[in-house]
Order: sequence, then structure tokens, then C-alpha cells
Amino acid sequence: DTGVSQDPRHKITKRGQNVTFRCDPISEHNRLYWYRQTLGQGPEFLTYFQNEAQLEKSRLLSDRFSAERPKGSFSTLEIQRTEQGDSAMYLCASSPQGYNEQFFGPGTRLTVL
Amino acid sequence: KNEVEQSPQNLTAQEGEFITINCSYSVGISALHWLQQHPGGGIVSLFMLSSGKKKHGRLIATINIQEKHSSLHITASHPRDSAVYICAVRPPDSGGGADGLTFGKGTHLIIQP
Repeated sequence: DTGVSQDPRHKITKRGQNVTFRCDPISEHNRLYWYRQTLGQGPEFLTYFQNEAQLEKSRLLSDRFSAERPKGSFSTLEIQRTEQGDSAMYLCASSPQGYNEQFFGPGTRLTVL
Repeated sequence: KNEVEQSPQNLTAQEGEFITINCSYSVGISALHWLQQHPGGGIVSLFMLSSGKKKHGRLIATINIQEKHSSLHITASHPRDSAVYICAVRPPDSGGGADGLTFGKGTHLIIQP
């Protein structure tokens, strides 16, 4: 499968725990995006990378959220000290440079109890 | 920040009807995307537009840059078209600045047999 993959697909955690999600973009796509989608809403932009450089992170929801893409390939999104309000679908997308279309992964659904 | 409004929020129609979903935005863009999201979260890109009109099968998308408005049309609608349709806009090319999409809340379409 050559699409964007995300792992895990579902995550249930207790409030206060840390969680980490992984995104593997389409091979050789150098742009990678993270979005969050809450129930009944459209996705909202969190952050994006061009290769290993994080070019926009001001939209991350709080300092509990961080993202990395250390080798310019896969990326991780970490949420520390999770809160019930963090329950949402976390979506990853990738695109090749100079091409606007973004290709979305299946998402990771987080439930914080 | 761009405000993206979609209408209607919910639409139920009979199989075979011609469907129109509208999207308006408040600030200039470099591209507009129409996306389809099925239950379970997966998002598929249908169209990316910066001007004019595009057609793919029974789907047609148009954009009027001056009026900051786009429409998605479905001809000869079918129950398998039932999904959430989301409009998203990309900011003008800022040379590496905020590049993430801004999304509408989506239109929930149900096509009844």
C-alpha cells in the first residue's frame, strides 16, 4: 500500500497519560501535515513539516502538543498529560513540494477517559 | 484567518437528484479543495481548484475567485454518494509560512434509494 498510513488507528487512554501517534507519508512526499477533527466539525490545522523542518507550529493547541519528523520521513505527534477535551480524530496528510493536493491518512481516533 | 462557510449543513435527497453544495471564504486563497469523508474518518480528495471548473465523472466543481465562492455539484446522485463533503482552502503561497488548509464544517449528504 503506497498511501499515507497512521498508527495506531484507535487509542483509548486515561486522563493525564501521554500518547504518541505515528504518521508515515507517501514515499518521497516532503511535506507532512497534522490536523485534528472533533465530532461534527471540519478538521483544523495543527502543524506542518517540509522535510525535517517544522515550518508552522503556532497552531498547536497548547504546549502539551508537540510533533517531530527527525529524518524527514515519518512523523510523530505527542500529547502530554491528556485531557478529555483532547478526544478527537488526528489526521495526517502529505504532499510533494510544489503540488497543492494533500493525501490524507485514515486517522487516529483518540478517546481520553 | 480565513473563514470558510458551507451550505447546507445537512442535505437529504432522493436517488437521481442533482445536488449542489456551496462554499464561501473570506480571504484570498491559492487553491480550494473539495474533499469527501466517509464514516470512520477516511478523507479523499475530490478536486483542487484555483480557477474555473473541473469535472470528474458525475462530479463537477466550480470556483469564482472574485466572489470567493465555490460549488460542488453531483449529477444523477446515488446512495453511494452519501458522505460528508468538506471544502478547504489553502492560503496564498507565503514562501514557507502557514501552509495548512482551513476547512469548512462539512455538508452531510444522504441520498435515499
